[in-house]
Amino acid sequence: AQKITQTQPGMFVQEKEAVTLDCTYDTSDPSYGLFWYKQPSSGEMIFLIYQGSYDQQNATEGRYSLNFQKARKSANLVISASQLGDSAMYFCAMREGMNSGGYQKVTFGTGTKLQVIP
Amino acid sequence: EAQVTQNPRYLITVTGKKLTVTCSQNMNHEYMSWYRQDPGLGLRQIYYSMNVEVTDKGDVPEGYKVSRKEKRNFPLILESPSPNQTSLYFCASSLLNRGGSGANVLTFGAGSRLTVL
Repeated sequence: AQKITQTQPGMFVQEKEAVTLDCTYDTSDPSYGLFWYKQPSSGEMIFLIYQGSYDQQNATEGRYSLNFQKARKSANLVISASQLGDSAMYFCAMREGMNSGGYQKVTFGTGTKLQVIP
Repeated sequence: EAQVTQNPRYLITVTGKKLTVTCSQNMNHEYMSWYRQDPGLGLRQIYYSMNVEVTDKGDVPEGYKVSRKEKRNFPLILESPSPNQTSLYFCASSLLNRGGSGANVLTFGAGSRLTVL
């Protein structure tokens, strides 16, 4: 089974509208972290937001929020008031073993290409 | 400036010619890792290192070697490159706080685009 699944290869959103990018994950590790990264066409990886498995509240960072539903194993990224500069590839990632003395593997999803329409 | 530096940024080589992609970070991070990015596959972890002399395989380690002799450096070695290793490679590092701390955010290098003919 895929550890991180992003089912939307591409999405369009109107400027100033909100958009939700889906991410589901699979792990038996009780201690893990979920991340979202943005990759613009220039290629760099930009960290957006983080959610720990034990965090009670959904993470927020400016216009980004993470809708964390632990029982459903989903960690959707919500971008409010989309801007043209939000057009990019978005990756969901999971880091396992956060509390262990052993490995800390990181798994990325296949990404969602978001295009913001003026 | 806190950063992860990869070199070379672009490289075209031929099958079988050994090459090394260097990665260096100036943030005193314990954790370092390598990824390859291919269209439709996202980023896949090749190797990671929890600290000096501690490395482990990621999901796609075949054909690659790494070493961690110093905390700041984590080179990726392709002993005998093949065309299926043509890809965009990223090095990333982070602190290694336990207990679910958000400080485990990965900082990425700018990427190295490798073409093997």
